[in-house]
Amino acid sequence: QQQVKQSPQSLIVQKGGISIINCAYENTAFDYFPWYQQFPGKGPALLIAIRPDVSEKKEGRFTISFNKSAKQFSLHIMDSQPGDSATYFCAASHGTYKYIFGTGTRLKVLA
Amino acid sequence: GAVVSQHPSWVICKSGTSVKIECRSLDFQATTMFWYRQFPKQSLMLMATSNEGSKATYEQGVEKDKFLINHASLTLSTLTVTSAHPEDSSFYICSALAGTSGDTQYFGPGTRLTVL
Repeated sequence: QQQVKQSPQSLIVQKGGISIINCAYENTAFDYFPWYQQFPGKGPALLIAIRPDVSEKKEGRFTISFNKSAKQFSLHIMDSQPGDSATYFCAASHGTYKYIFGTGTRLKVLA
Repeated sequence: GAVVSQHPSWVICKSGTSVKIECRSLDFQATTMFWYRQFPKQSLMLMATSNEGSKATYEQGVEKDKFLINHASLTLSTLTVTSAHPEDSSFYICSALAGTSGDTQYFGPGTRLTVL
């Protein structure tokens, strides 16, 4: 119940395309769902986060879609660019407790 | 805002020596910090939760006597790897809780430890 399942493991997208990464959780107590971007040799950087009271949140080219009944949330990267090539992690938490991370998705955007 | 630094960014040490890694929140106070370990092409593995002024809470399987954590102030937490061995070689990352609700973790840039 503490797992967050992330898919796909890797993703290749053409420049200008849409990248979609999905996560699913079991614990209904989770109330905070962030997405992080990590480049090789660097720490993760917060991209965007959502709470269960909204179904979608958009920040620039990044959008989180949240489906509370299905216990799923996804990251959409619009107009994907080569500079977006990185590993993306979803996470879930409850209050100020620790994060449960997904296994990560390695995104490659072809020029 | 919400910048977290780590020092050093990389360190090489001999087997049997101890290494200290510092994690600082530069522009906010963090009552809670976390220490992670990350192996190549894998997700982040939480090692311990560090609360200012109290003992750290270690995850199952993490040796508290080997990975000493001190959170002496609201802006500084340290991880000391004692009697390091080659199997301790890894990428260590800290994070600090911030945000209006105190539930957003901001990560440091990581420290690459290589034990010879």
